[in-house]
Amino acid sequence: KAGVTQTPRYLIKTRGQQVTLSCSPISGHRSVSWYQQTPGQGLQFLFEYFSETQRNKGNFPGRFSGRQFSNSRSEMNVSTLELGDSALYLCASSPETSANTGELFFGEGSRLTVL
Amino acid sequence: AQKITQTQPGMFVQEKEAVTLDCTYDTSDQSYGLFWYKQPSSGEMIFLIYQGSYDEQNATEGRYSLNFQKARKSANLVISASQLGDSAMYFCAMRERGYGQNFVFGPGTRLSVLP
Repeated sequence: KAGVTQTPRYLIKTRGQQVTLSCSPISGHRSVSWYQQTPGQGLQFLFEYFSETQRNKGNFPGRFSGRQFSNSRSEMNVSTLELGDSALYLCASSPETSANTGELFFGEGSRLTVL
Repeated sequence: AQKITQTQPGMFVQEKEAVTLDCTYDTSDQSYGLFWYKQPSSGEMIFLIYQGSYDEQNATEGRYSLNFQKARKSANLVISASQLGDSAMYFCAMRERGYGQNFVFGPGTRLSVLP
């Protein structure tokens, strides 16, 4: 079974640009969430999607947005990039069944550098 | 508000020895889940072990065990017979009641296994 796939793995942008990151969850997983990881702030929850609906949102500005498609694939977008947006963006999926402990299955992340 | 504390920024352990990574948490919820993840240099977060707040027995998964002391709000990870491949960042995380992917992560502990 293929794991969580994130693309692109690495990207460099300049301030003011926007970026779109993609995440394909494990087949059969309907929940997808995004996390930002930086050396200073650690791992922080961005948002979560389930059946194409945003179910939960972290404390991030409106420049950070996301969506989920009918095939459970998800994208996140960051507009008007700032230097502080440089981070590893991790996507995670979960099967969301009662028999499951609810652990997250993570991708390898997309490392964004903003110059 | 949730909070996860990991007081050991870095730890060293000799190969084949056991090591304990500390984690304390703060929550006012009665129902919650505690997780440990390993993050190698590749960036992917790997699920190690889960403990539910109502589980009376400590969780074990192979060489990993979780020393759960509910009254002290601690959930320490014990790795037995350390291997060189165990060198990585280790994160303690908590999810409050029900489903959902809004996990709160601690700052992590970098474990280095010495030959």
